[in-house]
Amino acid sequence: NAGVTQTPKFRVLKTGQSMTLLCAQDMNHEYMYWYRQDPGLGLRLIHYSVGEGTTAKGEVPDGYNVSRLKKQNFLLGLESAAPSQTSVYFCASSSHQVTGELFFGEGSRLTVL
Amino acid sequence: GIQVEQSPPDLILQEGANSTLRCNFSDSVNNLQWFHQNPWGQLINLFYIPSGTKQNGRLSATTVATERYSLLYISSSQTTDSGVYFCAVDRRGNNRLAFGKGNQVVVIP
Repeated sequence: NAGVTQTPKFRVLKTGQSMTLLCAQDMNHEYMYWYRQDPGLGLRLIHYSVGEGTTAKGEVPDGYNVSRLKKQNFLLGLESAAPSQTSVYFCASSSHQVTGELFFGEGSRLTVL
Repeated sequence: GIQVEQSPPDLILQEGANSTLRCNFSDSVNNLQWFHQNPWGQLINLFYIPSGTKQNGRLSATTVATERYSLLYISSSQTTDSGVYFCAVDRRGNNRLAFGKGNQVVVIP
């Protein structure tokens, strides 16, 4: 099993450009999450989803949008990228909300110039 | 929100040595998880441990929820144990995990 797969792994954007990160999981998990990891700030939750068709804001949602049209996919969008969004992004999934064991993807490194 | 503090922040070990990492949290929690982030950035779930003790090979973890701390033991450390260890907790009624800043571990041969 692939587990949690993120694409792309690396991306460089110019300020103002848009892009979408795709997360796919093959474990039939209900819950999916997007985190960003920054030096000195640790892992912070951007948005999460408790099931197909649902999304909710995390700690740092501004500047991001998400969609969960299919249970296995969770998309993270940046409509107008800013240098402050330079980060490593991790997708994760769990079978039970928060109380469940969390499985992470390999991460996507995004640089905004 | 809930505060998660990990100590020590940095640790250098000689291969074969044992060590203990600590995670303190400021409120009652539903659950606690330990993760290892290897030098290539991959995050792996080590333990899902709301209370009690669990063992997985050379690693073991103990959570004392009533005293608001958890310990991760690394025995006979190997260079592959290098990386950052994160503790994460979820508070009852909350919908998210709060992560600590991590323990940076370097194991030298």
